Amino acid sequence: DAGVIQSPRHEVTEMGQEVTLRCKPISGHDYLFWYRQTMMRGLELLIYFNNNVPIDDSGMPEDRFSAKMPNASFSTLKIQPSEPRDSAVYFCASSLFGKNTEAFFGQGTRLTVV
Amino acid sequence: GENVEQHPSTLSVQEGDSAVIKCTYSDSASNYFPWYKQELGKGPQLIIDIRSNVGEKKDQRIAVTLNKTAKHFSLHITETQPEDSAVYFCAASSGNTPLVFGKGTRLSVIA
Repeated sequence: DAGVIQSPRHEVTEMGQEVTLRCKPISGHDYLFWYRQTMMRGLELLIYFNNNVPIDDSGMPEDRFSAKMPNASFSTLKIQPSEPRDSAVYFCASSLFGKNTEAFFGQGTRLTVV
Repeated sequence: GENVEQHPSTLSVQEGDSAVIKCTYSDSASNYFPWYKQELGKGPQLIIDIRSNVGEKKDQRIAVTLNKTAKHFSLHITETQPEDSAVYFCAASSGNTPLVFGKGTRLSVIA
């Protein structure tokens, strides 16, 4: 398996624009997590899905953030409108069996909002 | 909810020396404690984990210890090598919660 695949690897956008980050989890994994990494706050959980259903989105910072998982092999994280403080590295991770097992991370998307 | 504190935030060691990173957690229900290594430009990758039914686990040059009473766990790297230089994250979770990560330790191994 190629592992968790995220796209794009880098995204530079202007404030106010819509940004969509994409993730393909490892085939067969039933949990998918979106994390945001910043120097100040470290790795923060934004939202996670189990069998394509959102379970907990309490980490989503604002209504500008939304995430979907239309099927077992694809998820998106959308920011609309984007702001400079959204600049961070966004990671998608997937796992098998549950929340307290190994999470496999993608390479991340580095988002810069100018 | 769970809160994980990690220390130190940066650590420099001479090649061949040992490195120790410590974490504390707040939720007594947590029972899974993994350690991740993040190299530059990459996502975190699991290097070792421990569950609450054991106190110590070792894999070659790395080991993890867990003290459930004190709610802390530590990562030990012996005979450090330049390729050990990276950011290391501890994490904790229970069966009901996803992983909560510490803020990371940047380890530099000086040749």
